[in-house]
Amino acid sequence: EAQVTQNPRYLITVTGKKLTVTCSQNMNHEYMSWYRQDPGLGLRQIYYSMNVEVTDKGDVPEGYKVSRKEKRNFPLILESPSPNQTSLYFCASSLNSPSGSQETQYFGPGTRLLVL
Amino acid sequence: AQSVTQLGSHVSVSEGALVLLRCNYSSSVPPYLFWYVQYPNQGLQLLLKYTSAATLVKGINGFEAEFKKSETSFHLTKPSAHMSDAAEYFCAVSENHRGSTLGRLYFGRGTQLTVWP
Repeated sequence: EAQVTQNPRYLITVTGKKLTVTCSQNMNHEYMSWYRQDPGLGLRQIYYSMNVEVTDKGDVPEGYKVSRKEKRNFPLILESPSPNQTSLYFCASSLNSPSGSQETQYFGPGTRLLVL
Repeated sequence: AQSVTQLGSHVSVSEGALVLLRCNYSSSVPPYLFWYVQYPNQGLQLLLKYTSAATLVKGINGFEAEFKKSETSFHLTKPSAHMSDAAEYFCAVSENHRGSTLGRLYFGRGTQLTVWP
């Protein structure tokens, strides 16, 4: 089954304790992305990756790191989490087709993070 | 930077009524435009997208949207609402990035659609 998986689904942590949220897709997609969703703000893009070893900042990259060493995985790293990073996080992936084609972006189920 | 404005954070319609969800964007270059739907406790699902082909775009579940450059709008419509359409809807815009329609994506704040029986 084609899917994007995220782990963990729920996480409670304390300020300053490093954490990693994993994201994996089994569709051989080149493009992967991380978003955070906050009430009243919609989704904001944190980082995205057009392919292995290629990452770019999105709208709100501060406080986050990513890496893309393999095509299927795109982990999100919070080196020193703070309470303002409490949010719902989504990973997504897609084919990196040329402009005008019909890519579909597939979203993971989400990771709900609480930083105390 | 690009931006997306969704007019109305909440929209309520009766079952069978027309659904109209508004989206306006600002972009300095021809944009790529998307509508996504999010059902409770789920991720987002692509409804439809505009990539400079036909201005009227048909999507899944009977939804469609029309790109109007003069009004910088991409409103989502469905002729007859169904109870199962109740969800949150997000409009998004991106610009051509390294030859792809994907890259930095800017989302609106979302519109919660309620459908009354």
